This record gives sequence, C-alpha cells and structure tokens, in this order.
Amino acid sequence: AQSVTQLDSQVPVFEEAPVELRCNYSSSVSVYLFWYVQYPNQGLQLLLKYLSGSTLVKGINGFEAEFNKSQTSFHLRKPSVHISDTAEYFCAVSVGFNKFYFGSGTKLNVKP
Amino acid sequence: SQTIHQWPATLVQPVGSPLSLECTVEGTSNPNLYWYRQAAGRGLQLLFYSVGIGQISSEVPQNLSASRPQDRQFILSSKKLLLSDSGFYLCAWRGGLGASETQYFGPGTRLLVL
Repeated sequence: AQSVTQLDSQVPVFEEAPVELRCNYSSSVSVYLFWYVQYPNQGLQLLLKYLSGSTLVKGINGFEAEFNKSQTSFHLRKPSVHISDTAEYFCAVSVGFNKFYFGSGTKLNVKP
Repeated sequence: SQTIHQWPATLVQPVGSPLSLECTVEGTSNPNLYWYRQAAGRGLQLLFYSVGIGQISSEVPQNLSASRPQDRQFILSSKKLLLSDSGFYLCAWRGGLGASETQYFGPGTRLLVL
C-alpha cells in the first residue's frame, strides 16, 4: 500500500522569502509523484509531477520539486514566494494514474 | 478541450435527508472518473472510482454510494446523510497521454450537514 506524509500542516512565510514544503511517501513499488495546489473554495490544480528521468522537476508558478528515492521524499520549493501563493498544497502518489493517495495538505500563508 | 463540472457548488442539508451530487465531463469519452472527499483539516480520501458505465469500485465503507448512468456522468448519493458526511467533495477524471497524463479535478461541492 502507498501512503503520503506531509509533516507541516501550516507554513507561514514572508513575501519574497524562499519556502520548502515537505513530502515523504511510502510504497513497495515505483510510484509517480505529484504536487497539487488548492485555492480557497476551488478544486485542485496540478503544479508539477515526476514520472521518470531528471529528479528535479519544474512546474507552474515558479515551483520546483526534487525526487529523492533514497529518502523517499518529494519536497516542493520556491525561491521567492508571493502573496498569491497563499493556498493549500497537496502531495500525492499514484501507481499507474488510477489511484491517487494524497497527503493531509500544507497550508502556505504568505505574509506581506 | 476537456472540462469537468460539478453541481451544486454548495449544499446545506439536514441530517437524515438524501443527497445527490453530480459530476460531468466534456470533451472526452470513456474517462476514468473519481469521487474524493476532503474533510476539514484532512487530506483527500478516494471514495469511488469508475472505469466505465455501470462500473463502480468503492474504496471505503461508508454511508455513500456512486453511480455512472452515462459515459461522462458520475453521481454521488446517499439515502440518509450523517453529520460526518460534511466536507468538500471533488470529482476528478484521468486524462492526458504520456507525460501529460494525470488526474484533473472539478471545482468541488461543499456539503454541510446540520
């Protein structure tokens, strides 16, 4: 079975500061990895995903994530955040795109 | 292009009342469809998925049921709502090819059971 852990439920950060949102996963088979963003009262929007190849994945809105197989991690980073990045971020894993397993989410609060 | 719709956007229902949430997908055929629930302070939990008309797989035992009467329509139902059914319900479809394949989510329905 697969599981995803997002240790930080909330991350406060000042505008233009860097941020890292942590994600660790557990799986006995190879998985695909995803980060989604959810703005208030909206559905989820795909930020980026790792399927194979380069372990550094770049996504929309200046976000990137690095797949680390030995540490079973897929942390999300942005070098300089904006107020508009305030949202909830979800890490997810899937085996073959059919079943997605989501973490509990991290609320990013960007302060002016 | 493909789009996914959910309605209603918001719903307030009394305990014990029935429920019907609808999800439809446009611009694709025979999609895999999914229902998730997001409870307050928790992540997304997969409730049901469907690979075709009349084919429903349930992931967790609960007070809810799902049906797929048409290729691009996925319905979430309950005969009698419980307080614990409150949450944000998201429908998703599996789309894209190769590197663009992923699950795409609808705008969600916020359900409050009182």
